[in-house]
Amino acid sequence: DTGVSQDPRHKITKRGQNVTFRCDPISEHNRLYWYRQTLGQGPEFLTYFQNEAQLEKSRLLSDRFSAERPKGSFSTLEIQRTEQGDSAMYLCASSLGTNRDTTNEKLFFGSGTQLSVL
Amino acid sequence: GNSVTQMEGPVTLSEEAFLTINCTYTATGYPSLFWYVQYPGEGLQLLLKATKADDKGSNKGFEATYRKETTSFHLEKGSVQVSDSAVYFCALAPWGTGGFKTIFGAGTRLFVKA
Repeated sequence: DTGVSQDPRHKITKRGQNVTFRCDPISEHNRLYWYRQTLGQGPEFLTYFQNEAQLEKSRLLSDRFSAERPKGSFSTLEIQRTEQGDSAMYLCASSLGTNRDTTNEKLFFGSGTQLSVL
Repeated sequence: GNSVTQMEGPVTLSEEAFLTINCTYTATGYPSLFWYVQYPGEGLQLLLKATKADDKGSNKGFEATYRKETTSFHLEKGSVQVSDSAVYFCALAPWGTGGFKTIFGAGTRLFVKA
C-alpha cells in the first residue's frame, strides 16, 4: 500500500492560465474522489469516479473544471481559465467501495495540490 | 440539510492534558460519524468512526461516542502528546450513502506544548 499520491504538491499560475493536476489512487481502489479545501475550512466534494465512470459532480464544479479517469486508475483534474477564487488545496481520495455496504467505506486521502492563482 | 459544526480552534494544551473537541451535527436519519486527522504536510487520515447511536469509536487513545439525543460526536483523549498536534475534522455520511456524500466540519487545529 503506497498510498494516494498527487502531483504537483504546489502550483502557482497566473489568472487565465490552464492547470492540470494528477492523482494516483491506491491500486486496488475502484472509487476516486476530488475535493477542494480552502483555508480554515473542511474539504468540499467536487466529483467522484467509480472505475472510469464519473458518477457524481458537485455544483461547485463549474464548466471550467473537468476531471477524467480514462482507464479507471489515475485521474486528472483540469481547471481552464483560472481565477483567483480557484486558489485552494485540491485533495484526491480513493476507496474500495461497494454498493452493498457504503457505511464501512473508508476514504484514503493524498497530501493535496496547493494551487495559487496570482 | 446535513451539516457538521465543530469548535473553533486553535486549541493549545500542555502535554498530558485532557482533550475535548466538540462536534455536533444536523442530519436526517442515522448518519455515520467520523473523525479525521491531518498532520502537517500530509493528507487526511481516518482516526475513528461510529455507525449507529451509542457506538464508541476509538483509536490511538482517542475516543468519541455517537450521541443521537444530543446530535454530538465529541472527540476526547485523556493525555495528549506533542505528536498529536494536527488539525482534526469531524465528518458525517448520510445513511446508505458512499464517500461522495461525506460532509466535513471546518476543522480544529490542536497545538500540544512540551
